[in-house]
Amino acid sequence: DQQVKQNSPSLSVQEGRISILNCDYTNSMFDYFLWYKKYPAEGPTFLISISSIKDKNEDGRFTVFLNKSAKHLSLHIVPSQPGDSAVYFCAASANAGNMLTFGGGTRLMVKP
Amino acid sequence: DTAVSQTPKYLVTQMGNDKSIKCEQNLGHDTMYWYKQDSKKFLKIMFSYNNKELIINETVPNRFSPKSPDKAHLNLHINSLELGDSAVYFCASSQWRTNTDTQYFGPGTRLTVL
Repeated sequence: DQQVKQNSPSLSVQEGRISILNCDYTNSMFDYFLWYKKYPAEGPTFLISISSIKDKNEDGRFTVFLNKSAKHLSLHIVPSQPGDSAVYFCAASANAGNMLTFGGGTRLMVKP
Repeated sequence: DTAVSQTPKYLVTQMGNDKSIKCEQNLGHDTMYWYKQDSKKFLKIMFSYNNKELIINETVPNRFSPKSPDKAHLNLHINSLELGDSAVYFCASSQWRTNTDTQYFGPGTRLTVL
C-alpha cells in the first residue's frame, strides 16, 4: 500500500521551460514533505521541503506547492537546466519517529 | 568532506554468505537510518537508531542486524544472504525531533547476491 505516489515515472522538458513534478499522498497524518534529487550511483540529495502549515515554499529556482485538501504536492523548477536531469523523489513524514515514506520517483530529463 | 559515507560502494557475494556494510556520518546528528532501494527503485526504511538505540524496525528479516557502536556509526550486518537481498542500501542521518525531518543520505552500497 503506497502512501506516497508519484504517478509520472518520467518527464521530459526543454531547457529554460518549467518542470512540474507531482506527488500524491494518502496518509492525512503526514505533516512534513520533502523533495530529494538523485543522480545515478549517488545517494538522494535534499532539495526542498515544506511543512503542512504552509502552502508554498520557494528556494531559488525551486518551489514546492502543497494542497492539503487534495493531498497533493508539486515541485516547480523554473527555469529548467540540463543539470537538473535526475530522478526526483517525494517524501513525507508524520514527524513522530522521523520516518520518511518515499514515492517511487520521477525521472526528469531536461533537453538542451 | 563527505557528510555521510558508506563502505563498500559495491559488494558482490554468494548466497548464504554473511556480509557487513559500514556507515559513518560527520554531521553531528544523533539519528541514523538504513534504507533499501529495490529493483523497482522504491526507497524503503529498514531501521532507525537514535543515540545508539533502535527506534524503527520495519518488518525486516532477522538476518539483518544493525549495530550502532556510537552516534556517528550505524553498520548493517546481513546473515545468510539470499538472492532477494540484492539491492542498493542507503544510510542516512538526521537530528532527532527537530522541526525539519531532513535526512542526509550516503552514496549507497550496491549489493549483488549470486
